[in-house]
Amino acid sequence: GNSVTQMEGPVTLSEEAFLTINCTYTATGYPSLFWYVQYPGEGLQLLLKATKADDKGSNKGFEATYRKETTSFHLEKGSVQVSDSAVYFCALRQGAQKLVFGQGTRLTINP
Amino acid sequence: EAGVAQSPRYKIIEKRQSVAFWCNPISGHATLYWYQQILGQGPKLLIQFQNNGVVDDSQLPKDRFSAERLKGVDSTLKIQPAKLEDSAVYLCASSPDGQNTEAFFGQGTRLTVV
Repeated sequence: GNSVTQMEGPVTLSEEAFLTINCTYTATGYPSLFWYVQYPGEGLQLLLKATKADDKGSNKGFEATYRKETTSFHLEKGSVQVSDSAVYFCALRQGAQKLVFGQGTRLTINP
Repeated sequence: EAGVAQSPRYKIIEKRQSVAFWCNPISGHATLYWYQQILGQGPKLLIQFQNNGVVDDSQLPKDRFSAERLKGVDSTLKIQPAKLEDSAVYLCASSPDGQNTEAFFGQGTRLTVV
C-alpha cells in the first residue's frame, strides 16, 4: 500500500537557519503530496501541496518540490523563525483514497 | 467559510466506560474522515465516509469503535468500552469532491482513559 517516510526528529535549529525536512513516499500511481503543520494544542493545518511531478508548493516561506524520479517531497525554508516551531507531517492522497501520513517531525527553533 | 467543528475538545473517562465524539464538516464536503493520533505518531485513519456510505473502515476496531454519518453531514464516533490504549487525539476532517484533494481538519478531541 501507499506509505510516507519522514526524517526522524526532533530537529532543533537557531533562528534564521536553513531548514530541510526530508520526506519520501511509496505509491502505485500518481498521488498528490502535502505538508501539514500542527502547532501546540491545535489541529492539522495544510501548509502546502503539489499535485503532479515537478510542481512546487509554497506558503509562508516554505517550499517543497514533487520529485517523481526520487519519490521525494522535501520541505525547505531559507530562514526559520521561532514561530515555525511545530510538528510537520508529510502526507499523500491518491484518487479518492485516504490521506496517508508520515510519523511527523518536531521542529524547535531557538532564538 | 466555517471550518470543521468538533466537540468536545477534551474528555477524561475511566476504562470500560463509553464516549462519543461529534463532528460537523465543512458545508458541501462529501468526504469525512476520522483519524486517531497517538502522542508522537502520525494520524491513522479509522474510517472514511463518502456522503453517508463507508469507503474505508479497515483499521477501525469494530469490536469497540463505531461511527455513523446520518444524512451525509454530521458524524459521531463512539468507543464502547474504552481501553487505556485508546488515549489519543481524535481528529475529524473533510474533503471536497474530486481526486487527490486535500483534507481540512478540526481541532480534535483529546481523550484520556484512566
